[in-house]
Amino acid sequence: DTAVSQTPKYLVTQMGNDKSIKCEQNLGHDTMYWYKQDSKKFLKIMFSYNNKELIINETVPNRFSPKSPDKAHLNLHINSLELGDSAVYFCASSQDHEQYFGPGTRLTVT
Amino acid sequence: GENVEQHPSTLSVQEGDSAVIKCTYSDSASNYFPWYKQELGKRPQLIIDIRSNVGEKKDQRIAVTLNKTAKHFSLHITETQPEDSAVYFCAASTETSGSARQLTFGSGTQLTVLP
Repeated sequence: DTAVSQTPKYLVTQMGNDKSIKCEQNLGHDTMYWYKQDSKKFLKIMFSYNNKELIINETVPNRFSPKSPDKAHLNLHINSLELGDSAVYFCASSQDHEQYFGPGTRLTVT
Repeated sequence: GENVEQHPSTLSVQEGDSAVIKCTYSDSASNYFPWYKQELGKRPQLIIDIRSNVGEKKDQRIAVTLNKTAKHFSLHITETQPEDSAVYFCAASTETSGSARQLTFGSGTQLTVLP
């Protein structure tokens, strides 16, 4: 069974649209994260949720909003998509130190 | 905030040779240093990690060393094989609250092992 899963795997959309990416983990971890990996492979944290509370919010535009309906899910909603949002978005979860990454969602904004 | 620098950005070695990747960090509060391997089109996967109370850790062909005084840590891969070819990321981590840890990643090293 996949420990951290994301849907969709690929997402192609036009500028100005609103889209969501879903993430689920079945590891029983308390903390979940969203990372953005740009075309140069830089990995940067966007958000972290611990027991359904936002505890890290890096300086990302407020067009990005994480939503956690429960401890096993952390979804990412993006409003008014821009060309610069094109990237691979990874979800991750952790209980202690080690972070387990999902397979990634490649978002392409045209 | 934390800043992690990683060198080199690309590294080519002959199969069987050793590879070394180096990172420096800026925040003395960082206490956990993982290394991730990312193959093309795949997710980052943890290959080894080290905590601040240890100077060296080894797992088969992979070892990591940490110098807290100098804020340096390095990844050593011996007897490299073509399947070691990937992008390797170092990271430094501090605990924020609860079980959350903020990982700051280096910029990555593309390792190519030539057969």
